[in-house]
Amino acid sequence: GNSVTQMEGPVTLSEEAFLTINCTYTATGYPSLFWYVQYPGEGLQLLLKATKADDKGSNKGFEATYRKETTSFHLEKGSVQVSDSAVYFCALTPSFGNEKLTFGTGTRLTIIP
Amino acid sequence: NAGVMQNPRHLVRRRGQEARLRCSPMKGHSHVYWYRQLPEEGLKFMVYLQKENIIDESGMPKERFSAEFPKEGPSILRIQQVVRGDSAAYFCASSPSQGAREQYFGPGTRLTVT
Repeated sequence: GNSVTQMEGPVTLSEEAFLTINCTYTATGYPSLFWYVQYPGEGLQLLLKATKADDKGSNKGFEATYRKETTSFHLEKGSVQVSDSAVYFCALTPSFGNEKLTFGTGTRLTIIP
Repeated sequence: NAGVMQNPRHLVRRRGQEARLRCSPMKGHSHVYWYRQLPEEGLKFMVYLQKENIIDESGMPKERFSAEFPKEGPSILRIQQVVRGDSAAYFCASSPSQGAREQYFGPGTRLTVT
């Protein structure tokens, strides 16, 4: 079946540091890949997505590139802010059939001023 | 355009009671998904519904849990005879059509079973 493995947390960084959160997946065909962010006490918000190999999703300074050869979709940001503190989830939907999301376990990110 | 609405936001039930969670999808969305998030874990798919149809319930526990999405009104996730292990955050998501590949999440219902 489909699965998503993401970097264990928690991750603590200083403001303006470079961020990488690793995500790899197992799926048949060409799934769509997503990063969701969950702020404390809130639901999930879509951060960015990529639907085919070599696509780069980007939003709010975050980027992730769909790498078919390494089955990865690592999240990066060049300079993090305190407001980026949240839990980040990598997820996929299969390339066919219904669109249920398979999530990774989440990575809690804390940015220190 | 209002987002996905869920109510109640917080629900406390004693063991053995019923919990009923509601989800109103975004306007124009006809596909609803329910996910459960246990403490300190990721979200796990429970059920996928379209209007009046259950499309995929492979993530639903076999007993006590049921879901519906009637022609009129919100989608309902019902948990009968709740137990402490049902304590979790339950999220609903909606999408406009199959193949849209983007789901919009509600704020969740946090169920606490005492």
